[in-house]
Amino acid sequence: DQQVKQNSPSLSVQEGRISILNCDYTNSMFDYFLWYKKYPAEGPTFLISISSIKDKNEDGRFTVFLNKSAKHLSLHIVPSQPGDSAVYFCAASIGTASKLTFGTGTRLQVTL
Amino acid sequence: DTGVSQNPRHKITKRGQNVTFRCDPISEHNRLYWYRQTLGQGPEFLTYFQNEAQLEKSRLLSDRFSAERPKGSFSTLEIQRTEQGDSAMYLCASSLDIAEAFFGQGTRLTVV
Repeated sequence: DQQVKQNSPSLSVQEGRISILNCDYTNSMFDYFLWYKKYPAEGPTFLISISSIKDKNEDGRFTVFLNKSAKHLSLHIVPSQPGDSAVYFCAASIGTASKLTFGTGTRLQVTL
Repeated sequence: DTGVSQNPRHKITKRGQNVTFRCDPISEHNRLYWYRQTLGQGPEFLTYFQNEAQLEKSRLLSDRFSAERPKGSFSTLEIQRTEQGDSAMYLCASSLDIAEAFFGQGTRLTVV
C-alpha cells in the first residue's frame, strides 16, 4: 500500500528552466510534508518542508505547494541548475515528530 | 559535529551469517530512526528511538532484526541469519523532536 506516490520516475529539464516534481498521498492523516534530495552513494538530504496549515513554502530557488483537497504537493525549482541533478523524494508524516513515509523518488536531470 | 555517521559503509556477508551496523547520530538529537532502501524504492521505516526507548517498530522488522540504543547515543542494528532479501541500503537518521531528520550515508548490505 503506497501511501506516498511519485508517479514520474524521471524528469529532464534544461538549465535555467523550471523543474516541477509532483507527489500524491492517500493518507488523510498526513499533515507535514518534506522533500529530500539524494545523490548517488549518499544519504538523503533535507530540502524543504510544509505544514498542512500552509499551501506554499519558499526557500530560495525551491518552493513547495500543497493542495490538501487534491492530496497533492509539488516542488518547484527555479532556475534549475546542473547541480540539482539528483533523485528527489517526497515524504510525509503525521505530526512533526514522527516517522517519515517516502515516495519512490523522481530522478531529475538538468541538462546544459 | 560532522553529521550522522554510519559504519561500515559496505558489508558483504554470506547467507545465514549475522551482521551488525552502527549509527552515531548528531550529538544533541534525541530521536534516531532506521530505514531500509532497496533499488527503485524510497526509504522504508524500520524502527525509531526517542533517547534509549524504542518507541515504534515496523512490521517489516522481522524477529531476525533487533535494534538498540543503550545510552541514548549511538545505535546498533543487528540482522541474524541473513537472507538474500535483506540486501539493501540501511539508513540511519536523527532529529531533535522535529520531522526534518538528518540522514547518514548508509550501510550497503549485500548477502551472497
